[in-house]
Amino acid sequence: AQSVTQLDSQVPVFEEAPVELRCNYSSSVSVYLFWYVQYPNQGLQLLLKYLSGSTLVKGINGFEAEFNKSQTSFHLRKPSVHISDTAEYFCAVWFSYGGSQGNLIFGKGTKLSVKP
Amino acid sequence: KAGVTQTPRYLIKTRGQQVTLSCSPISGHRSVSWYQQTPGQGLQFLFEYFSETQRNKGNFPGRFSGRQFSNSRSEMNVSTLELGDSALYLCASSLSQGAWDTQYFGPGTRLTVL
Repeated sequence: AQSVTQLDSQVPVFEEAPVELRCNYSSSVSVYLFWYVQYPNQGLQLLLKYLSGSTLVKGINGFEAEFNKSQTSFHLRKPSVHISDTAEYFCAVWFSYGGSQGNLIFGKGTKLSVKP
Repeated sequence: KAGVTQTPRYLIKTRGQQVTLSCSPISGHRSVSWYQQTPGQGLQFLFEYFSETQRNKGNFPGRFSGRQFSNSRSEMNVSTLELGDSALYLCASSLSQGAWDTQYFGPGTRLTVL
C-alpha cells in the first residue's frame, strides 16, 4: 500500500539553529514529491516540489529538500530557522498510475516549534 | 487576483443529514481538488475535477461526491453524515490537471457533525 511517513510529529528547535524534517514514502516507480506548510490559522501553502531533474530542490523562505530515490526519502532542511517558521509541515507524494492519473498521499505532519 | 474561496466557513449538521460545500477557484484555474483534514487521519485526498470531469479519486466511500461547473466552481456533497465526517474540508485549485501543477488552497470549511 502507498504510504508517506513523517518520522517526527513535533520538532522543537532554537532560533537560528538548523533543522531537518524527515519524510519517507513507500516505494513506487513514479512519484512527485511536495512539502506544504500550514501556519497557525492559515491555509496550506506550497513550500517546494520535486518533479524531475536535480535532486536538490530549493523552495520559499530558505527551505530546501533532497530527493533520495534509493532511500525513498524527501527530507526538508533549513540552515537557520526563525520564529516565523513555527508552523506545521506536511510532506505529500503523488503516486502516479500513468498519465495524469494517480493518488496524492499526505504525511501526518510535523509541528515545528521555534523557540527564542 | 482573489484567492480560493470556500463557503460556508463553518457548518453544523446532525447525523444522517447531507451537506454541500462550495469552492470557487482562482480565476483561470481549471482544476479543483478536495481534501479532508482530521486530527486522527491527517490530510486525505478526496477527488480532483478538471473540465467538469472527475479525474482522480482517493479512498473515500460513495457518500462523498462532487461536481464541477462550466465556470470551474466546484461543489462537494456528503450524504448520510456520520460523526466521523467532522473535519476541515479543504479545496485547492490549479491551472491544469495533475499534481505537478502548483495547488492553491482555500481556508477550508469546518464541518461539525453532532
